[in-house]
Amino acid sequence: DQQVKQNSPSLSVQEGRISILNCDYTNSMFDYFLWYKKYPAEGPTFLISISSIKDKNEDGRFTVFLNKSAKHLSLHIVPSQPGDSAVYFCAAIYNNNDMRFGAGTRLTVKP
Amino acid sequence: EADIYQTPRYLVIGTGKKITLECSQTMGHDKMYWYQQDPGMELHLIHYSYGVNSTEKGDLSSESTVSRIRTEHFPLTLESARPSHTSQYLCASSAWTSLPYGYTFGSGTRLTVV
Repeated sequence: DQQVKQNSPSLSVQEGRISILNCDYTNSMFDYFLWYKKYPAEGPTFLISISSIKDKNEDGRFTVFLNKSAKHLSLHIVPSQPGDSAVYFCAAIYNNNDMRFGAGTRLTVKP
Repeated sequence: EADIYQTPRYLVIGTGKKITLECSQTMGHDKMYWYQQDPGMELHLIHYSYGVNSTEKGDLSSESTVSRIRTEHFPLTLESARPSHTSQYLCASSAWTSLPYGYTFGSGTRLTVV
């Protein structure tokens, strides 16, 4: 049962433009959501998170939006840079229990 | 520097061999996890531990076993490797309250069984 879904396996954007990565979830019990970034041959690294009591969290160029009614969250990167090219994983957790991950979206930012 | 280490980074091994993937962390984290990931697929939790002498199986059925004799060490063992075990294995750890940063991951072991 895939509780966290990232339906776009890849995304390509031009440098300087906005990147929008999307994530859907099915379990309404999730109370925290996270985004991880993964470069090839490395483990995922934490990028940004949001509690279910909020609808937006911003950290520099990265903003995460949460729409609980739609069970949808998105990660916005503005402006996109070539160094942002990586695989981005959406993750969700409830009651501080084990985390569930999506399949990831490969972002390519072209110079 | 606090971190989490996995060895080996890459392993190619023949069918039927016994292998152990090592994972160690220096952060004093109570919780440790093993995830398995195939290309383009989500990370699947295969084992987790909430402390010494505590191990549980995750969502994805796995023929591997784990042990947690020391807080910092969480090795994963395959008694008899098969080609279906070919995958990337990621180890992670977290403090008891992992939020808001979630888990710290190692660099992974890419296993190929021929």
